[in-house]
Amino acid sequence: GAVVSQHPSWVICKSGTSVKIECRSLDFQATTMFWYRQFPKQSLMLMATSNEGSKATYEQGVEKDKFLINHASLTLSTLTVTSAHPEDSSFYICSARPDGLTDATNEKLFFGSGTQLSVL
Amino acid sequence: DQQVKQNSPSLSVQEGRISILNCDYTNSMFDYFLWYKKYPAEGPTFLISISSIKDKNEDGRFTVFLNKSAKHLSLHIVPSQPGDSAVYFCAANTNAGKSTFGDGTTLTVKP
Repeated sequence: GAVVSQHPSWVICKSGTSVKIECRSLDFQATTMFWYRQFPKQSLMLMATSNEGSKATYEQGVEKDKFLINHASLTLSTLTVTSAHPEDSSFYICSARPDGLTDATNEKLFFGSGTQLSVL
Repeated sequence: DQQVKQNSPSLSVQEGRISILNCDYTNSMFDYFLWYKKYPAEGPTFLISISSIKDKNEDGRFTVFLNKSAKHLSLHIVPSQPGDSAVYFCAANTNAGKSTFGDGTTLTVKP
């Protein structure tokens, strides 16, 4: 089955520093990847849609200058939390939808294992 | 405004019995629905899906039922096994391909 690798799985950083999270599709290409944030016992909240070769599309209320997304290749998207603060502490998770599907909009997503970010 | 709701945060059932997880949605533009299963410290994995043109889809021990008029879907697991213990997320897609997730239901299957 399709595998999405996300790392690091956890990171602790000081307030004011930036943290980069990588999301890789290992055995398929993905023009589109998604980034989510999850608070304890809550849903996966879509932050942005990452598009290879173009700008990411951010959901309402998500600061694009705070959460920088780069989708430089068909297998890699990165999320950088800039100038992190304690309120940015959360579980971040990515997903990818394989290219080349006849009904791409309805295909299931393949998720990374998530990154737990703790900002001190 | 939460468009996909899983009103039961947790469910506990005995091994061998049926587990029924429920999901309600409000957006009539949703046309495809999926269930994902998540173990701790792992990403969600796809379980089963259903198109809005159907009312039932079955895959082994897992069956998803869709009631469009009630904007309600449910996941049935029978018989339940201890390995089914996980968090189950309901997701709904629009034709733009964007998925909206419920808050999840933690299922515990007791031996």
